[in-house]
Amino acid sequence: KQEVTQIPAALSVPEGENLVLNCSFTDSAIYNLQWFRQDPGKGLTSLLLIQSSQREQTSGRLNASLDKSSGRSTLYIAASQPGDSATYLCAVAGNTPLVFGKGTRLSVIA
Amino acid sequence: GAVVSQHPSRVICKSGTSVKIECRSLDFQATTMFWYRQFPKQSLMLMATSNEGSKATYEQGVEKDKFLINHASLTLSTLTVTSAHPEDSSFYICSAREADQPQHFGDGTRLSIL
Repeated sequence: KQEVTQIPAALSVPEGENLVLNCSFTDSAIYNLQWFRQDPGKGLTSLLLIQSSQREQTSGRLNASLDKSSGRSTLYIAASQPGDSATYLCAVAGNTPLVFGKGTRLSVIA
Repeated sequence: GAVVSQHPSRVICKSGTSVKIECRSLDFQATTMFWYRQFPKQSLMLMATSNEGSKATYEQGVEKDKFLINHASLTLSTLTVTSAHPEDSSFYICSAREADQPQHFGDGTRLSIL
């Protein structure tokens, strides 16, 4: 059974810092990996999707990498802003519906 | 892009009431729909998967008689929480997918049972 772990569970940084969120998964037989953002009490916003054949994806200040063989992904956020404060969820899709990690709660302090 | 509409966004009702949540794919055919549940500060946990025209497949520990799922068309799935009690209070999110495309998510329904 696929298990997804995200580290750290919570992170607080001053505005402007670059930061890395980590995601690991136990079964490397995945189709793709997605990073989502969730604001309190809200639904999910898809940030980046990496297919299993890809190594990374970039969107603006966000860069996600995937190392399928080691079961790891990182989400890099450059020049963080207070508006980046949210919970970031990692999810993997294999021969099953998306399996989610517990998320990293990010606070960017102005 | 693919849009999933979930309604209502918030429900507050008395214990014993049955509550229906709708999930619609607006611009694609949702051959498969998923229902997730999220407790505060926890991750999304899959409750059930449904394919259009078939009975839903429930995850272990999810009561099928408690959480009724109907996926009668390629654009609509409903989740009915029957005889809801306070412990059913949670955030419910639906997701839809066309064939082997990525899943798209609704905005969720906050259910509060008094």
